[in-house]
Formats: sequence, C-alpha cells, structure tokens
Amino acid sequence: DIQMTQSPSSLSASVGDRVTITCRASQSISSYLNWYQQKPGKAPELLIFAASSLQRGVPSRFSGSGSGTDFTLSISSLQPEDFVTYYCQQSYISPRTFGQGTKVEIK
Amino acid sequence: EVQLVESGGGLIRPGGSLRLSCVVSGFTVSNNYMHWVRQAPGKGLEWVSLIQSGGSTYYADSVKGRFTVSKDNSKNTLYLQMNSLRPDDTAVYYCARTDSGYGPFDYWGQGTLVTVSS
Repeated sequence: DIQMTQSPSSLSASVGDRVTITCRASQSISSYLNWYQQKPGKAPELLIFAASSLQRGVPSRFSGSGSGTDFTLSISSLQPEDFVTYYCQQSYISPRTFGQGTKVEIK
Repeated sequence: EVQLVESGGGLIRPGGSLRLSCVVSGFTVSNNYMHWVRQAPGKGLEWVSLIQSGGSTYYADSVKGRFTVSKDNSKNTLYLQMNSLRPDDTAVYYCARTDSGYGPFDYWGQGTLVTVSS
C-alpha cells in the first residue's frame, strides 16, 4: 500500500496568516493527489483534486501543488472557518490511502 | 441536489452483524464508483470498500472476508454488510462517490456510527 505522510500533524496560526501543509507519498503517484477539509462532527469535503485543481465552490485562498511524491496545500490568508483538519489522499493505486491529517489551530 | 444518506449504525456486540445503507439522490449509483470510508473516534480516514459501476468489488485487508459491499440500482442504494464485527471496527462509516478509478471522493454522506462493544 502507498503510505501518505502529512506534516506537520498540527500547526498554530493566526487569522490572516499563510500556511502550508505538506504531503509525501511513499512512491510516485503522478498528480493523483486530493485534499479534503473536515470540520468537527462532519464528513470530509473535497478542496483540491488532481494535485492543483480547485473544487467548484472552494474559495481561491486554497491552492495545491506538486507531483510525483511531494505535494503541498496552501491557504493564503486563514479565515476563522479554516481552523479545522485537513487530509491528503492518493487515488493512483488501490487501496486509496489518506494522510494522517493536519489540524490547524488558532494561535 | 446530490444527497447521500447513511443509516443502519448502532451498538453491536463483538462477533455480531450489521447492515449499513446509503440512499443516494442526484446521481445514479449504477454509473459511478461507490465507496465506504470509515473513521474511528478521534482518528483519521480509512478506505473500506469499493463497488464499481460494473459491480466489481474491492476491500481493505482489514475487512476482507467479513464485509460485503453491494448495491441495488433500482433503489439507488448502496449497502455494507458487516459480519464478525470486532471492537476495532468501531467508527463512523461514510459512503462516498468517485466518478472513476482515479477520481477524488467528491460527494460524501453524513456518516453513521457503528460501535462494537460488549
């Protein structure tokens, strides 16, 4: 199975900060990398697919980049509703695997 | 509007069985890949199973031989039959869609909690 490793596991930031979350795959997954946001008690929601494509309706402050094994999710200016948990996920090879999650907390 | 609504969760003893349902509206399960993804309390996301549009099925090693995914195209409903349940199967179970083998999970249900405990 492909292992997905996110870093950091958690981070503290302030409203208006720019933050970057990294996701590394244990082998090349081309651009088959997706990012999800999960609010407490809710289902995950798709933010970014195919490494850098913004899902319809997602604010433009979210962006993704990378290919092969190394990927990043950036939030250009944190808003209060962005202090939640983010997951990366590869859709290149079955079983589809997720990173362990990154919790973004208010500093 | 797309909706996925899971049901069937609850408290079950170890070794017991449970069947989850996911009623879909807004698209047809017959033309899409339908998955179950679970999340243990306070933990991350784990893919559980897939049923492809043509009916082929796939499972995580952790549930293979115990769980069975199926669908009823006439009812536009996805199912997960869970047998020989163990405490480590305790989780919120989500149904989710991908439109292909490489696509992201673009629609999710709200989840149903399964608690396996004596």
